[in-house]
Amino acid sequence: ETGVTQTPRHLVMGMTNKKSLKCEQHLGHNAMYWYKQSAKKPLELMFVYSLEERVENNSVPSRFSPECPNSSHLFLHLHTLQPEDSALYLCASSQRTGDSYEQYFGPGTRLTVT
Amino acid sequence: GQQVMQIPQYQHVQEGEDFTTYCNSSTTLSNIQWYKQRPGGHPVFLIQLVKSGEVKKQKRLTFQFGEAKKNSSLHITATQTTDVGTYFCAGPPGGSYIPTFGRGTSLIVHP
Repeated sequence: ETGVTQTPRHLVMGMTNKKSLKCEQHLGHNAMYWYKQSAKKPLELMFVYSLEERVENNSVPSRFSPECPNSSHLFLHLHTLQPEDSALYLCASSQRTGDSYEQYFGPGTRLTVT
Repeated sequence: GQQVMQIPQYQHVQEGEDFTTYCNSSTTLSNIQWYKQRPGGHPVFLIQLVKSGEVKKQKRLTFQFGEAKKNSSLHITATQTTDVGTYFCAGPPGGSYIPTFGRGTSLIVHP
């Protein structure tokens, strides 16, 4: 499946580093999402961008900063992360209009914070 | 806020046995979606149900949406080792497009 791509697939970073995750969707969707998936925890919605509207989970720390320059691209900027931020970060896209809201996920970025 | 509960959290079955996972929402849903995540993979969309009482089948998988649009189930007949993975339900509350995901049910199939 190449509808939603994510880079990098794996990332190891120290707590003082700054890095960015990239997501691109080729499905013509108008909503994009960032999720965090940790072991033994449910999918945690972090941010949503849709039609120039941004929705955010208030529990997400400010060391995570999203950016959505257009409807096809989504970034997650990371700085001064903590070891507990180690997780699989998933990007997804969907349509916001019409009857079908199913989400298409990218392969994820496996992040390890040392 | 909206909560979506899924049970059981884990299910071990012998190959050939049936499997069912249940999903319950604290609020009425505009639709229910089901996803499968293989070990080491990412969630993949399986199906969406929209109508009250709707039933859909995909080969050995049967999906139901409750009459009140607050619960759903996924039933797999005669499980195979290829069915291994975590099954998630997700549903947006009425008027929203953003789904809330359940915690998922991990299916382990023993050959």
